[in-house]
Amino acid sequence: DGGITQSPKYLFRKEGQNVTLSCEQNLNHDAMYWYRQDPGQGLRLIYYSQIVNDFQKGDIAEGYSVSREKKESFPLTVTSAQKNPTAFYLCASSPTGTGIETQYFGPGTRLLVL
Amino acid sequence: KQEVTQIPAALSVPEGENLVLNCSFTDSAIYNLQWFRQDPGKGLTSLLLIQSSQREQTSGRLNASLDKSSGRSTLYIAASQPGDSATYLCAVKAAGNKLTFGGGTRVLVKP
Repeated sequence: DGGITQSPKYLFRKEGQNVTLSCEQNLNHDAMYWYRQDPGQGLRLIYYSQIVNDFQKGDIAEGYSVSREKKESFPLTVTSAQKNPTAFYLCASSPTGTGIETQYFGPGTRLLVL
Repeated sequence: KQEVTQIPAALSVPEGENLVLNCSFTDSAIYNLQWFRQDPGKGLTSLLLIQSSQREQTSGRLNASLDKSSGRSTLYIAASQPGDSATYLCAVKAAGNKLTFGGGTRVLVKP
């Protein structure tokens, strides 16, 4: 089955700790995205990557970092600099990241602060 | 800066009634507009994508219209069913190939 997987489903972070959220896709898509969703709100773009070894900041990149070493993987690290990390994190991918195509979403990871 | 608004934030209807969900956006220079469905605690599923040159798209009981000049889109769901209960999000794609999302409309269809 082709699709996007995110792990873990739930993640707990202690104060001052960095945590990494995994996103893997086997759709052979070039572009990948990370979004944050707060309760009752829409999605906000954190980072996106249109090609391996390249990524761009979205609207709320502060306190987050990413890497894109492989086409199928786009991990997101929530650093200790992110003071309000509790949210639902969604990863998405699209064939090229340009023009008229849709984005395909993973099931999400819920991050909670202990 | 593009802003997307969805009104109402929540909607409750009896089964069988037609649903009308509204989405408005501030900058009409868009490539396309999409409607997504989100079940609680889950990811997003794309329902309909309307290109900027199109006026509407249809899929089964779903019909979405787009009026770029007025910055509005409407999603119609005919003969609603309890299984239609979910949050519906609209998103526009504009310059920079980024999606801008509305806050969503939470729908409850009561049996």
